[in-house]
Amino acid sequence: QKEVEQNSGPLSVPEGAIASLNCTYSDRGSQSFFWYRQYSGKSPELIMSIYSNGDKEDGRFTAQLNKASQYVSLLIRDSQPSDSATYLCASQRPMNRDDKIIFGKGTRLHILP
Amino acid sequence: ETGVTQTPRHLVMGMTNKKSLKCEQHLGHNAMYWYKQSAKKPLELMFVYSLEERVENNSVPSRFSPECPNSSHLFLHLHTLQPEDSALYLCASSQAQGAAYEQYFGPGTRLTVT
Repeated sequence: QKEVEQNSGPLSVPEGAIASLNCTYSDRGSQSFFWYRQYSGKSPELIMSIYSNGDKEDGRFTAQLNKASQYVSLLIRDSQPSDSATYLCASQRPMNRDDKIIFGKGTRLHILP
Repeated sequence: ETGVTQTPRHLVMGMTNKKSLKCEQHLGHNAMYWYKQSAKKPLELMFVYSLEERVENNSVPSRFSPECPNSSHLFLHLHTLQPEDSALYLCASSQAQGAAYEQYFGPGTRLTVT
C-alpha cells in the first residue's frame, strides 16, 4: 500500500517564526511531490511542487526533498496568522495514465498571534 | 471564468433523490478527477478521466456515476445515496502528459444526505 505520512498536529508556531512541516512517503518510485494548503471549509490550493533533491524556494516557502530518506518538508518563514491551515503533502510516480497522486492526511498548522 | 469551477457549492438531498454535480475547467488541461473528502480522512480518489477516457475507478459504489463529455467538463451523477456519503466532493484537473502532474482543485460541493 503506497502511503504518504504526515503528523496530524496541530502544530503551533509563534507569529514571525519558522514553521516546519514534514512528510514521508513509502513509494520509492515517486518522483513528483506537492504541498497543498487547505483552509477550513475550502478546497486544497497548490503552493509548491518539487521534483529534484534539494531545496526549492518560492517567497516565504521552501520545499525540501530527500529521495534517499523518502522525506519531504515545507518551511514557512516569517509565519503569519493567515498561514494557519491544513497542509497536505502528496507524491506521484512518473507521468503515466495509471499513476495517481497519493495524498497524506495533512498537518494542521496554527500560527499564534 | 478562470481555474476550476464547481456547481452547486452546497447540496442537500434525500436518499431517494437523483442529483448531479458539475465541474468545468478553464486551464486547458486534459485530465479531470473526482475526489471525496470526509472529516479526518485523506482525500479519496473516486474517478480519473484522462483524454476523456476513464482510467481509474477506485471501487466506488455504483450509486456514483461519472460522465466526461469533453476535456473541459466533468459530471458526477448521484442516486440513492446513503448518509455516509455526506462529504466535500472535489473536482480537480491536470495535464495528462509531461513531467509535472500538478492538480488544481475546484471549490468543492458540500453534500449532505438526509
